[in-house]
Amino acid sequence: NAGVTQTPKFRVLKTGQSMTLLCAQDMNHEYMYWYRQDPGMGLRLIHYSVGEGTTAKGEVPDGYNVSRLKKQNFLLGLESAAPSQTSVYFCASSYWNTEAFFGQGTRLTVV
Amino acid sequence: KNEVEQSPQNLTAQEGEFITINCSYSVGISALHWLQQHPGGGIVSLFMLSSGKKKHGRLIATINIQEKHSSLHITASHPRDSAVYICAVRLALGTGGSEKLVFGKGTKLTVNP
Repeated sequence: NAGVTQTPKFRVLKTGQSMTLLCAQDMNHEYMYWYRQDPGMGLRLIHYSVGEGTTAKGEVPDGYNVSRLKKQNFLLGLESAAPSQTSVYFCASSYWNTEAFFGQGTRLTVV
Repeated sequence: KNEVEQSPQNLTAQEGEFITINCSYSVGISALHWLQQHPGGGIVSLFMLSSGKKKHGRLIATINIQEKHSSLHITASHPRDSAVYICAVRLALGTGGSEKLVFGKGTKLTVNP
């Protein structure tokens, strides 16, 4: 039982490049979330999904897009990376009003 | 003002000491989570509680809904407890039953041998 798996774990991008972060969970959770963690700040919600085929914006959605074509996967895309998107990204999943399970994080640097 | 405030921001203790980390929040919540994050590592859920008290090993979490306050206690602290402890509250997102977690900034705990 892998729980929540994020790929890749590390990535360096040049400004303007694109990339996709993958989050996969094997717990049949309905809810999936993408957060970013920056120094001196709490985790902030980028986008979330309450089920297959649905996505919604969180607190800091600008510059990101998401898709949830399959229940177990939640993809976070950066179409044109900017240095301000340098951060550690965490994916999480849960059932409604239950404990959340987090991935190991993806450290992204945009130069 | 942040919806979730933690104190202290940093805490250094000697092995064996009793540790308390506090979390206050300003909105109505459905539940509160305590999470642990080790350096360079992922985030692990310690507790989810909506009332009263929960205990797991040397960790105890309490919540006072009326006071909008929660505490995380660590008894007989050990260097392996060194980590960042994060409080998060669960909020409803509009209608439809969806919800999100709002996080505090974390408390960095260092336990020295």
